[in-house]
Amino acid sequence: KAGVTQTPRYLIKTRGQQVTLSCSPISGHRSVSWYQQTPGQGLQFLFEYFSETQRNKGNFPGRFSGRQFSNSRSEMNVSTLELGDSALYLCASSVRSTSGANVLTFGAGSRLTVL
Amino acid sequence: DAKTTQPNSMESNEEEPVHLPCNHSTISGTDYIHWYRQLPSQGPEYVIHGLTSNVNNRMASLAIAEDRKSSTLILHRATLRDAAVYYCILRGNSGGYQKVTFGTGTKLQVIP
Repeated sequence: KAGVTQTPRYLIKTRGQQVTLSCSPISGHRSVSWYQQTPGQGLQFLFEYFSETQRNKGNFPGRFSGRQFSNSRSEMNVSTLELGDSALYLCASSVRSTSGANVLTFGAGSRLTVL
Repeated sequence: DAKTTQPNSMESNEEEPVHLPCNHSTISGTDYIHWYRQLPSQGPEYVIHGLTSNVNNRMASLAIAEDRKSSTLILHRATLRDAAVYYCILRGNSGGYQKVTFGTGTKLQVIP
């Protein structure tokens, strides 16, 4: 069965631009969560969506937003890009998020470089 | 948010067992302990998880302390392919939605 698919895998933007990243979860998984990974801060939780609703949000500015569609696919958007937004953005899916036993399956990530 | 503490790095010789520790003193009664690992240039991958009892699967074993404030991931025979950053995280089972907090993880180096 197909894994978690993230697109694009690599992209380069300039400061002030905006970017949209896409995540297709494993079929049947309804929970999608997003993470930012940088060398300095490690893996940080961005937000989680379940049934098209944001269920939790990490400590990131409002420039970071996301949404989930009825087919569970999710997108995240970063507006007014800053140099510090350069990172690997990871998406993970699970069957549902209310059970601690549910395993997260991660995608390979989208590597964003902001110049 | 429940937090975990792990050593920054560890070394192991190839084909020897590796014990990776994790402290989670603020764990709640319904938190599951999960381990993931991240190979270079890849997203994290699931290794094992447990609640109270020790767990075994084809990849590893998880030993959970009786008070659940610490756990140990055991790789029975380390191979070069096991060189990765290992993350121990807690996932709640409270019925609500929880942020997932990753620590800095343990970078495992396997020496041939």
